[in-house]
Amino acid sequence: GAVVSQHPSRVICKSGTSVKIECRSLDFQATTMFWYRQFPKQSLMLMATSNEGSKATYEQGVEKDKFLINHASLTLSTLTVTSAHPEDSSFYICSAQDPQGARDIQYFGAGTRLSVL
Amino acid sequence: SQKIEQNSEALNIQEGKTATLTCNYTNYSPAYLQWYRQDPGRGPVFLLLIRENEKEKRKERLKVTFDTTLKQSLFHITASQPADSATYLCALGGGDDKIIFGKGTRLHILP
Repeated sequence: GAVVSQHPSRVICKSGTSVKIECRSLDFQATTMFWYRQFPKQSLMLMATSNEGSKATYEQGVEKDKFLINHASLTLSTLTVTSAHPEDSSFYICSAQDPQGARDIQYFGAGTRLSVL
Repeated sequence: SQKIEQNSEALNIQEGKTATLTCNYTNYSPAYLQWYRQDPGRGPVFLLLIRENEKEKRKERLKVTFDTTLKQSLFHITASQPADSATYLCALGGGDDKIIFGKGTRLHILP
């Protein structure tokens, strides 16, 4: 089945630093990837849709200059949290669709727990 | 605005019994509905998808129903096992690629 790898699984950083999270589709090429954020006991909230070779589409209320998304290849999308602050601490999860499979199914990475001190 | 409601309280079920989880939604006419499983500190794992023109779908011990009139889906796990303990997320999708998630229901299968 389709596998999505996310790295790192956990990161702790100081306030003001930038953190990069990678999302890779291991056995398929993903033209579209999604980035979510999940706070404790809350639902996954879509932050942005990442399209290979073009600019990401951000959801309302998500700052594109704060959360930089790059989808430079068909197997890799990165999310960079710039100048992170404690309120950015959350669980970040990426997903991808397999264009060769069922389009409506998203395959998720294991998530990245970000803690900003 | 679109709203998905799942029972926020944890559901405790005795091993071997059938667990039934509910997903209700408002202000939305989804083309399909999905159920995912999420373990603590992990990303969701896809379980089942049911489309608006389908009433019921089964996969091994799992069964999903979809009532577009009631705007409700029921998710059943038969012959439940402790390993089924997790949070189960309901998600709705439409014409675009985006899906909207509910908060999930924590299920505890008691041995």
